[in-house]
Amino acid sequence: QSVLTQPPSASGTPGQRVTISCSGSSSNIGSFTVNWYQQLPGTAPKLLIYSNNQRPSGVPDRFSGSKSGTSASLAISGLQSEDEADYYCAAWDDSLNGPVFGGGTKLTVL
Amino acid sequence: QVQLQESGPGLVKPSGTLSLTCAVSGGSISSSNWWSWVRQPPGKGLEWIGEIYHSGSTNYNPSLKSRVTISVDKSKNQFSLKLSSVTAADTAVYYCARAVTSSRFDPWGQGTLVTVSS
Repeated sequence: QSVLTQPPSASGTPGQRVTISCSGSSSNIGSFTVNWYQQLPGTAPKLLIYSNNQRPSGVPDRFSGSKSGTSASLAISGLQSEDEADYYCAAWDDSLNGPVFGGGTKLTVL
Repeated sequence: QVQLQESGPGLVKPSGTLSLTCAVSGGSISSSNWWSWVRQPPGKGLEWIGEIYHSGSTNYNPSLKSRVTISVDKSKNQFSLKLSSVTAADTAVYYCARAVTSSRFDPWGQGTLVTVSS
């Protein structure tokens, strides 16, 4: 059972906008910034969003992040087939004194 | 840019010790970053194992702390993971990563699958 809670799956059709939620508590998301990772099949995770809503160089602006209270969201607009991947949220946790991850959301592009 | 590469045995016997090394290239391990290990059991999510600073300071996941040792070799620009008393539950892809900030890992190594089996 992961400290951060994500829906196990999400789906959308090409061109659609989808959102993936990440729910935590005051000891993690409520107190620290959230980062998002994209893991394409058979590859290592890649940083997608950092500090709640910042995109690393090279990440398309179709990807955006937000945070409110103890929850965060990742939004993908103009969905493309290459967006089919697993997405993980992460945040520091004061109770663990370390980073924690969500259980991951498998995004399917229909 | 910084690149990381894991290496080590792909098969470890139960009750044995898992040993992996992460070679850092394109940058110095003595930079102001922590260096981490994260694992992913087959078909499951990510789990932080622990981290080390170039000074040798470490932080470990409490659930693994009694079995984990992370060390750094500045002369070789690499850091290492040892996990003792392994069981089948420790079978996973093990990644090394640079921790830019607390939970911001970038980049990651390609990962190495370690199977615990007799």
